[in-house]
Amino acid sequence: EAQVTQNPRYLITVTGKKLTVTCSQNMNHEYMSWYRQDPGLGLRQIYYSMNVEVTDKGDVPEGYKVSRKEKRNFPLILESPSPNQTSLYFCASSLQGTDTQYFGPGTRLTVL
Amino acid sequence: AQSVAQPEDQVNVAEGNPLTVKCTYSVSGNPYLFWYVQYPNRGLQFLLKYITGDNLVKGSYGFEAEFNKSQTSFHLKKPSALVSDSALYFCAVRGYTGGFKTIFGAGTRLFVKA
Repeated sequence: EAQVTQNPRYLITVTGKKLTVTCSQNMNHEYMSWYRQDPGLGLRQIYYSMNVEVTDKGDVPEGYKVSRKEKRNFPLILESPSPNQTSLYFCASSLQGTDTQYFGPGTRLTVL
Repeated sequence: AQSVAQPEDQVNVAEGNPLTVKCTYSVSGNPYLFWYVQYPNRGLQFLLKYITGDNLVKGSYGFEAEFNKSQTSFHLKKPSALVSDSALYFCAVRGYTGGFKTIFGAGTRLFVKA
């Protein structure tokens, strides 16, 4: 089954404790992206990747890191999480940058 | 700069009536426009897209959208609403600005009353 998977689905952590949210797709898509969803703000793009080893900032990249070492994986790293990073995070992939995106189920992160 | 506006936080419609969820956009170059739907505790699901061609785009679950270049709008429509259409709807634009960024609108919550 074609899908985007994220782990973990739920995470509660404390300020400053480094964490990684994994994202994997099995559709051989070139484009992958991370978004955060906050009430009243819709989805805002954090980082995206056009292909392996090619990443670029979205609209809200501060406090986040990404890497794209293999085509299928695009982990999101919070090196020193803060409470304002409490949010619902979605990973998405698409064949190309102009194509339909397929979304993962989301990761609900709470930073205390 | 790219932007997307969904001017209505919420749209209420009676079952069986037509529905419209509005979206306007701003992008340099050719726009790639999308509608997604989010059901409670779920990820986003693709509804339809406009890349080029016919201004009326048909999508999943009986939804359609009309691309209007002069008004820079891409309103989502359905001739007859169902209670099961109640969800959060997002308009999105993708455009090339040195890389393919995606901008989403803030979302419109649709309530369909039986």
